Amino acid sequence: GAGVSQSPSNKVTEKGKDVELRCDPISGHTALYWYRQSLGQGLEFLIYFQGNSAPDKSGLPSDRFSAERTGGSVSTLTIQRTQQEDSAVYLCASTRVGLRSPLHFGNGTRLTVT
Amino acid sequence: GQQLNQSPQSMFIQEGEDVSMNCTSSSIFNTWLWYKQDPGEGPVLLIALYKAGELTSNGRLTAQFGITRKDSFLNISASIPSDVGIYFCAGPVQGGSEKLVFGKGTKLTVNP
Repeated sequence: GAGVSQSPSNKVTEKGKDVELRCDPISGHTALYWYRQSLGQGLEFLIYFQGNSAPDKSGLPSDRFSAERTGGSVSTLTIQRTQQEDSAVYLCASTRVGLRSPLHFGNGTRLTVT
Repeated sequence: GQQLNQSPQSMFIQEGEDVSMNCTSSSIFNTWLWYKQDPGEGPVLLIALYKAGELTSNGRLTAQFGITRKDSFLNISASIPSDVGIYFCAGPVQGGSEKLVFGKGTKLTVNP
C-alpha cells in the first residue's frame, strides 16, 4: 500500500500479558516514529529511528516498553507485562529526511488492557 | 520539557461559521505544524510554518507563525461538516532533535 500500515488495528489483552504492535512504514522513508495517544490527550513521543543511527528512546515510559526496527523498514513496539494505564492508541509515523518532510501517520493500534 | 498549550480544548459551531484556535508555548519554536486527525485515523499535516510572521493558507485554512516564535494560530473559514476532527499543533524539540512535540488538540464539532 501507499501509506503507513499498522497491525493489529485493535488489540484487547489481559493485564500482565505481553503485546507486540507492528508498523510498516512507507517504502523509502528512513525515519520512523512511535507515539502514544491516550484518551483526550495529545500525542506522546515514545521512540524515533533514523537510518542506521541509534534510536532515540527518550520517550519510552518504562523498561516494559521496547521497540526495534529490522532492516531499516518494519518496526515492532513491544509492551511487556501490560498494565491498564497502557491502554491507548499507538501511532506510527514515517518520513523521508528531516522535519521539512511531513510525518505520515498510520491509523494506529487501539490497545485495551483489561 | 517543551510543551505546547492549545486552546480551546473543544469547540461546537454551526456549519458556515469561522473558527479560530491557537497554540502557545513558553519556549521558542522554529517550526510550527498544524495537523488534523479524523476519527479512527492518524493525523494528517495541514499546514507547515517555518518563519516568524509567516502567514500561510491552504484552501479555507489559514495559519500564522507568531513573531515571538512562541505562538501560532489556525483559522478555518466557512466551516463544513467534514472539518470535524481534532486539530493538533506541533513543533520540533529544540536541540537539533528530530522529535516532534504535540499539543493536546482542539476538538472541533460542526453542526449542520
